[in-house]
Amino acid sequence: IQLTQSPSFLSASVGDRVTITCRASQGINSYLAWYQQKPGKAPKLLIYAASTLQSGVPSRFSGSGSGTEFTLTITSLQPEDFATYYCQQLNTNPFTFGPGTKVDIK
Amino acid sequence: QVQLQQSGPGLVKPSQTLSLTCAISGDTVSSISAAWNWIRQSPSRGLEWLGRTYYRSKWFNDYAVSVKSRITITPDTPKDQFSLQLNSVTPEDTAVYYCAREGSGGWSFDYWGQGTLVTVSS
Repeated sequence: IQLTQSPSFLSASVGDRVTITCRASQGINSYLAWYQQKPGKAPKLLIYAASTLQSGVPSRFSGSGSGTEFTLTITSLQPEDFATYYCQQLNTNPFTFGPGTKVDIK
Repeated sequence: QVQLQQSGPGLVKPSQTLSLTCAISGDTVSSISAAWNWIRQSPSRGLEWLGRTYYRSKWFNDYAVSVKSRITITPDTPKDQFSLQLNSVTPEDTAVYYCAREGSGGWSFDYWGQGTLVTVSS
């Protein structure tokens, strides 16, 4: 299963609302997770089951979607949110990742 | 709190075997609700899932087709760790390698190791 993300790069300001889309080449039910990665660090889980917020993750992060189209939304972007975001499907082996969306400071 | 600690060499010669270990604390490799995964990341391939091991009354392994002929993931129950072996490496196997726990229900990779940069070079 191929995952695509859009946009691949996003320039935004602190306080902005940001939306990232992940599309799957076939249906994956709700087996979709979102991760945040900062340079030199391992990915960090933000959202699982498409819309469930991982414990300890700020509520400004939210996820939605099912089937083949999913979104990650960050309301009121904070300085620590500038990073690269990846989606991952866990519906079918192999568990593929999207190519990433880099969120940079405008 | 689950923690995963990776160890292993950062430099491997072409045609040799890449070996990494992931030590688990706060959980057990024999957990019947978790699975233990290896993932790698490179600029050319992005994040690439390599395979996993898990216990459900007996041990199971799943491997990515791209490496299936060269990979072995092995649990070590007395030490609560699991290992990755990748044979016949080439420079294309140069990447940061991560271990990760797949949590209950298989919904996500909720805990990750710190990552190990492995360079394949003579």
